[in-house]
Amino acid sequence: DAKTTQPPSMDCAEGRAANLPCNHSTISGNEYVYWYRQIHSQGPQYIIHGLKNNETNEMASLIITEDRKSSTLILPHATLRDTAVYYCIVRVAAEYGNKLVFGAGTILRVKS
Amino acid sequence: GAVVSQHPSRVICKSGTSVKIECRSLDFQATTMFWYRQFPKQSLMLMATSNEGSKATYEQGVEKDKFLINHASLTLSTLTVTSAHPEDSSFYICSARSPYGYTFGSGTRLTVV
Repeated sequence: DAKTTQPPSMDCAEGRAANLPCNHSTISGNEYVYWYRQIHSQGPQYIIHGLKNNETNEMASLIITEDRKSSTLILPHATLRDTAVYYCIVRVAAEYGNKLVFGAGTILRVKS
Repeated sequence: GAVVSQHPSRVICKSGTSVKIECRSLDFQATTMFWYRQFPKQSLMLMATSNEGSKATYEQGVEKDKFLINHASLTLSTLTVTSAHPEDSSFYICSARSPYGYTFGSGTRLTVV
């Protein structure tokens, strides 16, 4: 019951901004958008999350459209170490609290 | 920040045996933990939600009797793969809800031979 759609892969030049889109057109009003990334054979790493306002931290920026049906993760200056699978996730309400249901993700390849 | 430790990182077992995977929250208490499975080149699939002091909640299609989950304390959840078969070979990852969000363990690579 993944609620997000992402492009399967993207390339980005080293030092340039990487803009990763995500569609979550069925998101509910109180569901947060989370972004995680996974480097091969490791556990997912938290990047950022938001509800409706744009968010920024030391890793990235998250831009959420006003209707909340889509968002974009921005890595301002991509490095080779940012090559990973990036997951856009909607936090779903469940019987015992909220849970993260992963979509297919985007493979980001940063090239020199 | 919050740290989740998962052990072992790799395990090889014989078909028909059981394997236990541990997930510990090191610097926070986790009333809720999550278990995921990931096959090669696929995304993470949520298997179950583990709740301290109560029965786990399994996702549709996940066999409760095969994947036993115990969450007996606020810092430890275990996943036991019973009567393992080669098709159970996968990457198993736990996650815990911390004051900082959802923190993931480093995963366990299970190979059943």
